[in-house]
Amino acid sequence: DVKVTQSSRYLVKRTGEKVFLECVQDMDHENMFWYRQDPGLGLRLIYFSYDVKMKEKGDIPEGYSVSREKKERFSLILESASTNQTSMYLCASSVRGGRAEAFFGQGTRLTVV
Amino acid sequence: GQSLEQPSEVTAVEGAIVQINCTYQTSGFYGLSWYQQHDGGAPTFLSYNALDGLEETGRFSSFLSRSDSYGYLLLQELQMKDSASYFCAVSDMNSGYSTLTFGKGTMLLVSP
Repeated sequence: DVKVTQSSRYLVKRTGEKVFLECVQDMDHENMFWYRQDPGLGLRLIYFSYDVKMKEKGDIPEGYSVSREKKERFSLILESASTNQTSMYLCASSVRGGRAEAFFGQGTRLTVV
Repeated sequence: GQSLEQPSEVTAVEGAIVQINCTYQTSGFYGLSWYQQHDGGAPTFLSYNALDGLEETGRFSSFLSRSDSYGYLLLQELQMKDSASYFCAVSDMNSGYSTLTFGKGTMLLVSP
């Protein structure tokens, strides 16, 4: 069974903290994505990676960075968490190009207080 | 950049047929896909269209017209369990890598 695993289901952090969200996939996929999901706004792409150590900005990268040191792991970093980063964060992976079926993790509900 | 438009909400009754439309604007268009997300769950893949025409998968069908930058998801014989949010998403190929951009989602409410 294919799997995308996010390290935490729920997370509460304080304003100004550095926050790490981890995502691991076991499908040997080239592409990995980080989205945030907010009511009425759908899934918005923060960053994606198409290979190890490669990254590209999505639509809303401000306040975030990413790291992909190994093919199976893609980390999202909030350099200094702010309350407007309270959201559901979803990680996904897919094969390069082609049918582009993406597999999602269960999400991390992050609350910044 | 990319943009996708889909209705925010659709209601229907059990056994009915419902169509969820999606229009898009993007460069480097590769394909259109549909995802289903139940409340509290992760999005799951439903279908993918790269070429014009209709793709059928059981009760669900998806259509694409590349010339009109338009697609739809057709759900037949609706069941209560089909109540969920449905997202269209475009795959773009730029500079040799693909991205996946989602619409804002359509909430489908199926009533008895």
